[in-house]
Amino acid sequence: AQTVTQSQPEMSVQEAETVTLSCTYDTSESDYYLFWYKQPPSRQMILVIRQEAYKQQNATENRFSVNFQKAAKSFSLKISDSQLGDAAMYFCAYRGGANSKLTFGKGITLSVRP
Amino acid sequence: DVKVTQSSRYLVKRTGEKVFLECVQDMDHENMFWYRQDPGLGLRLIYFSYDVKMKEKGDIPEGYSVSREKKERFSLILESASTNQTSMYLCATRQGKAEAFFGQGTRLTVV
Repeated sequence: AQTVTQSQPEMSVQEAETVTLSCTYDTSESDYYLFWYKQPPSRQMILVIRQEAYKQQNATENRFSVNFQKAAKSFSLKISDSQLGDAAMYFCAYRGGANSKLTFGKGITLSVRP
Repeated sequence: DVKVTQSSRYLVKRTGEKVFLECVQDMDHENMFWYRQDPGLGLRLIYFSYDVKMKEKGDIPEGYSVSREKKERFSLILESASTNQTSMYLCATRQGKAEAFFGQGTRLTVV
């Protein structure tokens, strides 16, 4: 079974600084998708970024980028120029190519210091 | 924009009651999911459905059942609510290989 591990329960970053959230996963599949979701206090889960495993290039969305290391099964999220609105819970998630189930990590709470 | 609507944001029920959590989506997505979210445990899959009248157990189906009579509606049923089912419940939908879209969550308290 696939597993997703987020080992840090909390992190803090100074406004305008850069922070990296870690995620590792375990799978025997070669075709899969990885996601980072953000859950602010409103509870609405919002997709931050996605990465297809067959793509070697790391995904980027504005201030958000990933470091995808397929051999190491690592998928970290880098937030540049952190803003107060980035404070939220962040979940790493995995979905296999032939499997529609989405498996989540336990999440990390990010706080942003003004 | 995809809209996923959960019928209640907050719900308080008594132990032993039958509880229905409703989820409606407006984008004709085939796949629908029910998760529960607990502190320190992340999101865990309860049940999911690939199509109308189709359902499959997720990782923690015990104590729950589901119903999908129409494509746009996916209901989670707690046959006899217990205090250990106090949690946040999240509905999600997905079409093909796209990402999942989530409802706003229902915080259920069983007293």
